[in-house]
Amino acid sequence: EAHLVQSGPEVKKPGESLKISCHGSGYNFTTYWIAWVRQMPGKGLEWMGIVYPGDSDTRYGPSFQGQVTISADKSIATAYLRWSSLKASDTAMYYCARHPGTSGFPAYFDSWGQGTLVTVSS
Amino acid sequence: SYELTQPPSVSVSPGQTARITCSGDALPKKFGYWYQQKPGQAPVLVIYKDNERPSGIPERFSGSSSGTTVTLTISGVQAEDEAHYYCQSGDISDSYVLFGGGTKLTVL
Repeated sequence: EAHLVQSGPEVKKPGESLKISCHGSGYNFTTYWIAWVRQMPGKGLEWMGIVYPGDSDTRYGPSFQGQVTISADKSIATAYLRWSSLKASDTAMYYCARHPGTSGFPAYFDSWGQGTLVTVSS
Repeated sequence: SYELTQPPSVSVSPGQTARITCSGDALPKKFGYWYQQKPGQAPVLVIYKDNERPSGIPERFSGSSSGTTVTLTISGVQAEDEAHYYCQSGDISDSYVLFGGGTKLTVL
């Protein structure tokens, strides 16, 4: 059974950089897409983008292109979400999630991490 | 830009049937997916590819698709089904994934 474990909560100041992680286990991490999903306080789910750990192919949602960097290190079965300069509006819960298929567009997600709460405040 | 539209809220009494709709122009050509999210928890996939149910999801959860609308049906609603439900699909060109705004299901 696939299991995703995310890094712990973060409190940062505006302008600081941050990289959060998502470690996969219980399956072949290399061959399944990993997505990142944002949930702002009291709001809905937003798809940020996705990475294929096998070759680091990465796609971004229209609202997140250029705002974050998604990557993966298949050698340690870990995906990452990085900001170079945080804003207060980046305050949110961030989830990683796995697409269960090995072919076709990675359109849905069957396993989710527990979430990482990022708080950006001066 | 492409959007998936859900009603903000649906209320039903225990034992009744809840239906949550999701509308989007690409849905005639793209599958719909549904997630349940309870407070403080990560989302859980309850329906995939319009009407398939993952293992472990109760049979009272079902999905259907007609034209530009996909529907999540919960038959014999139980108190534990109270949660937010999000539909999800892909855009017509398989460039990105999007979620509906979510529907709060209240069990009266």
